[in-house]
Amino acid sequence: EAQVTQNPRYLITVTGKKLTVTCSQNMNHEYMSWYRQDPGLGLRQIYYSMNVEVTDKGDVPEGYKVSRKEKRNFPLILESPSPNQTSLYFCASSWTGGFLNSPLHFGNGTRLTVT
Amino acid sequence: DQQVKQNSPSLSVQEGRISILNCDYTNSMFDYFLWYKKYPAEGPTFLISISSIKDKNEDGRFTVFLNKSAKHLSLHIVPSQPGDSAVYFCAARKGGSEKLVFGKGTKLTVNP
Repeated sequence: EAQVTQNPRYLITVTGKKLTVTCSQNMNHEYMSWYRQDPGLGLRQIYYSMNVEVTDKGDVPEGYKVSRKEKRNFPLILESPSPNQTSLYFCASSWTGGFLNSPLHFGNGTRLTVT
Repeated sequence: DQQVKQNSPSLSVQEGRISILNCDYTNSMFDYFLWYKKYPAEGPTFLISISSIKDKNEDGRFTVFLNKSAKHLSLHIVPSQPGDSAVYFCAARKGGSEKLVFGKGTKLTVNP
């Protein structure tokens, strides 16, 4: 089954404790992206990657890191999480970043709470 | 600056009637628009899209209309079904860009 898999689904952590949210897709997609969803703010892009070893900042990259060493994986790293990073996070992928005939496929989300 | 606006946080309609979800945008460089649907505890799923060279795209019960002069698009669902109850996100792409800009979403409730 074609899917984007995020882990974990739920995570509670404390301020400053490094964490990684994993994302993997099995569709051989070149484009991958991370979003966060907050009440009243919708979906905002954190980082995206056009292909292996190619990453770029989205609209809200501060406090986050990403890496794309393999085509299928795109982990999101919070080196020193803070309470304002409490949010619902989504990983997404598509064949191309242009999205024409290639809509984004989203994972089921990771709900992160930073205390 | 919010470039894609969904001004109605929620909408409630009766089963069998039409649902109309609206989206306004400010950037005239947007050339491709998409609608995503999101159920609780799931990620958004692609619903329908439209290119700026068209003014209408239809897929079954779902139709998207684009009015470029007004910078406005709408999603029509006819007839509405209880299973359509979800949050709907409007998204837009700037020509040649690899980024999508999303609206805040509209929660649709279809009452049986």
